Amino acid sequence: EVQLVESGGGLVQPGGSLRLSCAASGFTFSSYSMNWVRQAPGKGLEWVSYISSSSSTIYYADSVKGRFTISRDNAKNSLYLQMNSLRAEDTAVYYCARDLGYYDILTGYYYYYMDVWGKGTTVTVSS
Amino acid sequence: DIQMTQSPSSLSASVGDRVTITCRASQGISNSLAWYQQKPGKAPKLLLYAASRLESGVPSRFSGSGSGTDYTLTISSLQPEDFATYYCQQYYSTPLYTFGQGTKLEIK
Repeated sequence: EVQLVESGGGLVQPGGSLRLSCAASGFTFSSYSMNWVRQAPGKGLEWVSYISSSSSTIYYADSVKGRFTISRDNAKNSLYLQMNSLRAEDTAVYYCARDLGYYDILTGYYYYYMDVWGKGTTVTVSS
Repeated sequence: DIQMTQSPSSLSASVGDRVTITCRASQGISNSLAWYQQKPGKAPKLLLYAASRLESGVPSRFSGSGSGTDYTLTISSLQPEDFATYYCQQYYSTPLYTFGQGTKLEIK
């Protein structure tokens, strides 16, 4: 069974740090790009960061750039998110999600989306 | 940055109804659109990608269409398990992914 399991969430003070982990199983982790997506309480989904399968390409949302670092260890089938200088507005459920692409031979386009999601881990930033 | 606007923000409907949710991009996104369903306390679930392609295992009552900037998700005959929040998501231009604000589908 394809599965993603997040861990590492908790309560942290403003300005503090936290490291999230995502353990993958049931598929060849090293072949897939991965994402972190978050959802503040009662709010919608916000994409946070992306890392390619080999870690050669990394992107961040402007809201976390310079504070968060995404990484992965393909030998351990694990994805990470190091979060520094945390703010109250970083309070959210954090999901890891597998990135998948579909190539349409008719249009020549690649279409990307997130096909497998973990259950999430909750981060609360509060004093 | 591309903005995604869903309408309506909430919707009340009955079992058996046909329902349409709209997602509009601030610029053309060439069908680079996915739809997700999220139930309270659960992770999002992929329904469709490339605007109209149904994810494996998703019931055929779900369909997607559109082009350019305007896209729709249609549920042909609502079932009790379909009451949830629906999100569209673009992948075309930076930021890498952008989600719509969500449409909450409630039982009338």
